[in-house]
Amino acid sequence: DAGITQSPRYKITETGRQVTLMCHQTWSHSYMFWYRQDLGHGLRLIYYSAAADITDKGEVPDGYVVSRSKTENFPLTLESATRSQTSVYFCASSESANPTYEQYFGPGTRLTVT
Amino acid sequence: SQQGEEDPQALSIQEGENATMNCSYKTSINNLQWYRQNSGRGLVHLILIRSNEREKHSGRLRVTLDTSKKSSSLLITASRAADTASYFCATDARETSGSRLTFGEGTQLTVNP
Repeated sequence: DAGITQSPRYKITETGRQVTLMCHQTWSHSYMFWYRQDLGHGLRLIYYSAAADITDKGEVPDGYVVSRSKTENFPLTLESATRSQTSVYFCASSESANPTYEQYFGPGTRLTVT
Repeated sequence: SQQGEEDPQALSIQEGENATMNCSYKTSINNLQWYRQNSGRGLVHLILIRSNEREKHSGRLRVTLDTSKKSSSLLITASRAADTASYFCATDARETSGSRLTFGEGTQLTVNP
């Protein structure tokens, strides 16, 4: 029972490079989310998806791209990484939206942009 | 802007004592959830309280919700060293669509053995 996994767990990249963070869940949850957590702060929503091929912007979407061709995968791409995108990225999934269900979080990807 | 704000930002207590954390929010909500985050790990859901509920219990956890004051509290009784973690409240605001939660900045709880 893998649950929700993220890869890589740690990534160092240079400014301007494209980076893709992977997220995979085994529960067939409809909803998936990407958050970023900056040191000492809470989570901010980047993008979310209600189902395959349905995505929407969250609070801080600029500089990020998502896709969801399959229910179980929700990759997050930084098209041209900037130092301000250094953060810990968490993927989460949820069974439903109405009413809001609990979200299940992956272990996170720590991204450093140099 | 953050919907939920936790208070205090940091709390240090002795094992066996009770820990109380508060959360305030700004808009009408469908429900409020509490999550725990151990250092270097993802968040784990603790408890969900709906807007028409006033109090909820789960083991050593007690959550209250006062929608008139737009506030919630999380009480951990008989704390243990293993309760050391950051605790976040998250709100499901009525005006947002989908299963979107807005997280506060968290309370860092340290339980000293």
